[in-house]
Amino acid sequence: EVQLEQSGAEVKKPGAAVKISCNVSGYTFSDYYMHWVQVAPGRGLHWVGLIDPGDGEARYAEKFQGRVTVSADTSTDTAYMELRSLRPEDTAVYYCATSADSGDYTFNYWGQGTLVTVSS
Amino acid sequence: DIQMAQSPSTLSASVGDRVTITCRASQYISHWLAWYQKKPGKAPKLLISKASSLESGVPSRFSASGSGTDFTLTISSLQPDDFASYYCQEYNSCRTFGQGTKVEIK
Repeated sequence: EVQLEQSGAEVKKPGAAVKISCNVSGYTFSDYYMHWVQVAPGRGLHWVGLIDPGDGEARYAEKFQGRVTVSADTSTDTAYMELRSLRPEDTAVYYCATSADSGDYTFNYWGQGTLVTVSS
Repeated sequence: DIQMAQSPSTLSASVGDRVTITCRASQYISHWLAWYQKKPGKAPKLLISKASSLESGVPSRFSASGSGTDFTLTISSLQPDDFASYYCQEYNSCRTFGQGTKVEIK
């Protein structure tokens, strides 16, 4: 069974950074992209970026370019997303998501979400 | 980046109604389009892949069509569990989501 387990909620001050994790099981982590998605209150879903755990290649949405780094540790089957220079509007639930072994490139499996609150 | 224009943003409907949501891509994406359902406090759920392929376990009242730049999601007979938000997503390039459609009770 494919499972994605994310780290717990975070509260940060504006200007700080946050790093959240997503530990997977039930499939070969290095074989499939891991994506990160932002769900902000009243502002819909936004794709943040992806990592190819196999070779470490990352790609980012223009909206987050320069402030976000996604990474992966294949020794622990864990993906990470670091968001820097946090602003109040970054307050959101962040999800990791993957197609895993679905045979497509859709987001078939999701973590439970990590709430990041940015407040002074 | 590809832009995804989804409409309407809100849709008021009753149980049993047929509802249709549209999604338009700013450039050609072939059939690389997915539809997700999002409920408060829950992770999004994949409903449709490759523009029209129903995911396993998704009720047959959900259907979708389209290719190229214009796509639709239809719920043939709205059920109480279907009141939620729906998002299209292109996965031809940057995985851009549409702005979402909230289906609310009329």
